[in-house]
Amino acid sequence: ETGVTQTPRHLVMGMTNKKSLKCEQHLGHNAMYWYKQSAKKPLELMFVYNFKEQTENNSVPSRFSPECPNSSHLFLHLHTLQPEDSALYLCASSQGGTGKTADTQYFGPGTRLTVL
Amino acid sequence: AQKVTQAQTEISVVEKEDVTLDCVYETRDTTYYLFWYKQPPSGELVFLIRRNSFDEQNEISGRYSWNFQKSTSSFNFTITASQVVDSAVYFCALSERGLSISNFGNEKLTFGTGTRLTIIP
Repeated sequence: ETGVTQTPRHLVMGMTNKKSLKCEQHLGHNAMYWYKQSAKKPLELMFVYNFKEQTENNSVPSRFSPECPNSSHLFLHLHTLQPEDSALYLCASSQGGTGKTADTQYFGPGTRLTVL
Repeated sequence: AQKVTQAQTEISVVEKEDVTLDCVYETRDTTYYLFWYKQPPSGELVFLIRRNSFDEQNEISGRYSWNFQKSTSSFNFTITASQVVDSAVYFCALSERGLSISNFGNEKLTFGTGTRLTIIP
């Protein structure tokens, strides 16, 4: 596997379900990101992890719970979601670290989530 | 606050025509980075280019070219001799380099709303 992979690619869940999205990067990066892409809205940054430390939480509701067990894996745990949470959830990774230059983020194919 | 504007929501051109996608940005940072990404129907955002604010040299990569002009805060993207495979949504993005309390780099990309490009065979 190369690049950034995400599973599942499609997910349909009810509002009372609990599910998890998985992201894995094979690029040797240290930073990982979750984004939400809704129809007709700009991509919204949700969470950032750098060396497994959460460095950004963009006022995301607690029904979304991220987990980063190591620099290669990132999860997004979902529970009691709302229909308006239906969207494409994209994972990305970048070199990260303490450098001064902006890294390029590389994205996975996304998980298309539908909440019924 | 940073802002990226892609005023063209949708563009359709006939195959082999040239097309330019506009991107205008706002930032108070003196050091910043601009990006273009392509999102085909499969959903994955594909990185195309990164440009830092100190490098105003235009770039050409095959049929793709980018025109960065700080004076007008624009970073436009041109596809020459367009092909059907170029059909996708294209996003322009601006980065803000922040630091967390633990001093780790923290990339925050501000995306435009995207331009849906359709190439008609």
